[in-house]
Amino acid sequence: EAGVAQSPRYKIIEKRQSVAFWCNPISGHATLYWYQQILGQGPKLLIQFQNNGVVDDSQLPKDRFSAERLKGVDSTLKIQPAKLEDSAVYLCASSLDRGGARVQTQYFGPGTRLLVL
Amino acid sequence: AQKITQTQPGMFVQEKEAVTLDCTYDTSDPSYGLFWYKQPSSGEMIFLIYQGSYDQQNATEGRYSLNFQKARKSANLVISASQLGDSAMYFCAMRESGTGANNLFFGTGTRLTVIP
Repeated sequence: EAGVAQSPRYKIIEKRQSVAFWCNPISGHATLYWYQQILGQGPKLLIQFQNNGVVDDSQLPKDRFSAERLKGVDSTLKIQPAKLEDSAVYLCASSLDRGGARVQTQYFGPGTRLLVL
Repeated sequence: AQKITQTQPGMFVQEKEAVTLDCTYDTSDPSYGLFWYKQPSSGEMIFLIYQGSYDQQNATEGRYSLNFQKARKSANLVISASQLGDSAMYFCAMRESGTGANNLFFGTGTRLTVIP
């Protein structure tokens, strides 16, 4: 079974430029997450989708970050304009979550390392 | 308040020895899940082990076991027979099912170094 795919793996941009990341979750997984991991810290949730609807985007800096999940499968995360403090690894994860109360395991992709100069 | 606390920034262990990585958590939700992930230098978060709040027995997965002490709100990871490939960052995480959002809260991680 294929895992979570992300691209690009690395990106270097200058501040005030825009950048987009792509994620393809594990086939059949209803829930998709984007996390930001700053160097030396644990990942922090930016946004969570259930199918193509947003469940939680309370930590997403909406003035510059946007995300969408069209058709409930792939997702893109965009930063426009980028700031120096956006330098981080952006991790995408997915979980099955096909109903039921049991807590589901999240599986992560390899991440995109963003450096803003 | 921090939901997940990992107090060991770094740990060293001799190859073939066992090591315990500490994790304490804070929640008022009676239904939650605790996870451990391994993050090698490549950056990918690799799922290791899961413990549900209602599980009666401690979780085990191969060389990984979770020492779950509910009353103390601790969920320590035990790695037996350490291998050089175990050198990595290890993150404890919690997911609360009561809120409906089910996002993971991560600790700050512990860097494990296995010494030959």
